[in-house]
Amino acid sequence: GAVVSQHPSWVICKSGTSVKIECRSLDFQATTMFWYRQFPKQSLMLMATSNEGSKATYEQGVEKDKFLINHASLTLSTLTVTSAHPEDSSFYICSARDPRTTSKTGELFFGEGSRLTVL
Amino acid sequence: DAKTTQPPSMDCAEGRAANLPCNHSTISGNEYVYWYRQIHSQGPQYIIHGLKNNETNEMASLIITEDRKSSTLILPHATLRDTAVYYCIVRVASSGNTPLVFGKGTRLSVIA
Repeated sequence: GAVVSQHPSWVICKSGTSVKIECRSLDFQATTMFWYRQFPKQSLMLMATSNEGSKATYEQGVEKDKFLINHASLTLSTLTVTSAHPEDSSFYICSARDPRTTSKTGELFFGEGSRLTVL
Repeated sequence: DAKTTQPPSMDCAEGRAANLPCNHSTISGNEYVYWYRQIHSQGPQYIIHGLKNNETNEMASLIITEDRKSSTLILPHATLRDTAVYYCIVRVASSGNTPLVFGKGTRLSVIA
């Protein structure tokens, strides 16, 4: 299946700093990517939909000025957590649709996740 | 997308079949049943999906009832590496531009 890669897989930062997480589609072009957040022992919660060449669409309750999403190319979307605080510590996961298959099967492909710890 | 209901947790002995149920009584005629799993600290992994016929692949089998109101994911010979949270999701196959919506899933523990 299609491959989605995230980087870094884990990051520790100080409170008040910004952290960038990358999501790449390695063998396909992804016009749409999705960003999720997962707190311990909870399910994945959708944060935003990232569209190549246009502004991201954020879910209710997600601050767009705090979680900056840039989808500047067909293979890369980035999530920047600005002025991170301990409550932003979470597991961030991206997902993408492969236009070669998703339109037929509905399957989405997920990255390995990025664990952010804010001290 | 239709709502799904799954038991919060299940145990299974290693080497035995794991049968994970899912209720989706409000499923529409054009909605598929998808199963994903998430091993601890990893991203979700696609397992299988189906519309109304039973499906089998190298990972699992999917049994959908005739009225399509429920389904069962079967891992025929569970191993310790199958310990994960399993999510049953119902959605239209052509809705690739929309994200997957995850419920709470079933936490499967495979025991040696």
